[in-house]
Amino acid sequence: EVQLLESGGGLVQPGGSLRLSCAASGLTFSTYAMSWVRQAPGKGLEWVSVISDSGGKTYYADSVKGRFIISRDNSKNTLYLQMNSLRAEDTAVYYCASRPPIDYWGQGTLVTVSS
Amino acid sequence: DIQMTQSPSSLSASVGDRVTITCRASQGINNYLTWFQQKPGKAPKSLIYGATILHDGVPSKFSGSGSGTDFTLTISSLQPEDFATYYCQQYNTYPYTFGQGTKLEIK
Repeated sequence: EVQLLESGGGLVQPGGSLRLSCAASGLTFSTYAMSWVRQAPGKGLEWVSVISDSGGKTYYADSVKGRFIISRDNSKNTLYLQMNSLRAEDTAVYYCASRPPIDYWGQGTLVTVSS
Repeated sequence: DIQMTQSPSSLSASVGDRVTITCRASQGINNYLTWFQQKPGKAPKSLIYGATILHDGVPSKFSGSGSGTDFTLTISSLQPEDFATYYCQQYNTYPYTFGQGTKLEIK
């Protein structure tokens, strides 16, 4: 059974930083591209970023480009999202997901940016 | 960016009904379209990719069709567990944009 378990969410002040992690099991992690998707409270889904299976290619939504960094450690079966210069509009549940096309989702971790 | 427009935004239907949700892309996406189901407070669930291919374990009551820019998700014989919000997403061109969602409610 594939499991994706996010952690690292919480309350952070505007301008602050946070690093999300996603521990993967039940899949050959090193052969999967991985994605981050977020959902602001009461809103729809927003694609954030994707990283290739090797980690050599990364892509970002314009709304986070230059502030967020996606990375992975295939030896630890773990995906990361380093979020810097956080803004109120980054408040959302952040989901890690496998591939595109997305097949498996984590349960999400809530990030709240507020003073 | 490719804009994905779903219609309707909300839909009321009864148990046993068949419903269709439409997703239109602002430019061609080579059938690189996926559909998700999301229930309140839960993570999305992947239903269909490649516009027409069901993910493993997804019941055949769900079907996808379309090509180019116009796509549909059809759900036959609605059951109480099918009432949820449905999203489409294109994965042809970065950024991989989502539709705004269609909320399917019980009539």
